Amino acid sequence: DGGITQSPKYLFRKEGQNVTLSCEQNLNHDAMYWYRQDPGQGLRLIYYSQIVNDFQKGDIAEGYSVSREKKESFPLTVTSAQKNPTAFYLCASSGLFDNTGELFFGEGSRLTVL
Amino acid sequence: EDQVTQSPEALRLQEGESSSLNCSYTVSGLRGLFWYRQDPGKGPEFLFTLYSAGEEKEKERLKATLTKKESFLHITAPKPEDSATYLCAVQAWDTGTASKLTFGTGTRLQVTL
Repeated sequence: DGGITQSPKYLFRKEGQNVTLSCEQNLNHDAMYWYRQDPGQGLRLIYYSQIVNDFQKGDIAEGYSVSREKKESFPLTVTSAQKNPTAFYLCASSGLFDNTGELFFGEGSRLTVL
Repeated sequence: EDQVTQSPEALRLQEGESSSLNCSYTVSGLRGLFWYRQDPGKGPEFLFTLYSAGEEKEKERLKATLTKKESFLHITAPKPEDSATYLCAVQAWDTGTASKLTFGTGTRLQVTL
């Protein structure tokens, strides 16, 4: 089935460690996104990519890094510079030229910093 | 800056008790308004896109409407399986081709027997 796969679903990290969240899609979408969700707050955009080997910062990019080496993959690294990394992370994708704007989301990865 | 405000934060309904969720927005130029459903611990699931004032869309017990300042998600005769958090989001024309959405904080709906 077509969709977006995020892994791991749950991740625990010690302070000072970097961690990478995986996101893979088989929808043949050009654009991919990373959002962060915290209790009582709306989803906030971290990074997005419209094409392979190119990506742009979203509203809260500090302390995060991404890469887009393949169309299907958009991993997110949460670095030790991120001051408050405990959150629910959502990856999404969309077609760029179908004009619907609809985002397809993965199941999310919950990161807890101990 | 684009803003989305959803109310109420939480809503508890009995099965069959119809109600509406509100999404107020300010955006530089509305390209689309989106409704998503999110179950606990899951990613949001797309429900509707509305593009212009006066537009309405329906899906089973849900109907979404749009004005120039707000959108409503009407739930008719809800069932317990409609319990979820409903998210509203907007996309402005100046975001280019990417779907950069601004989300509200959601309305948590609980439907009881």
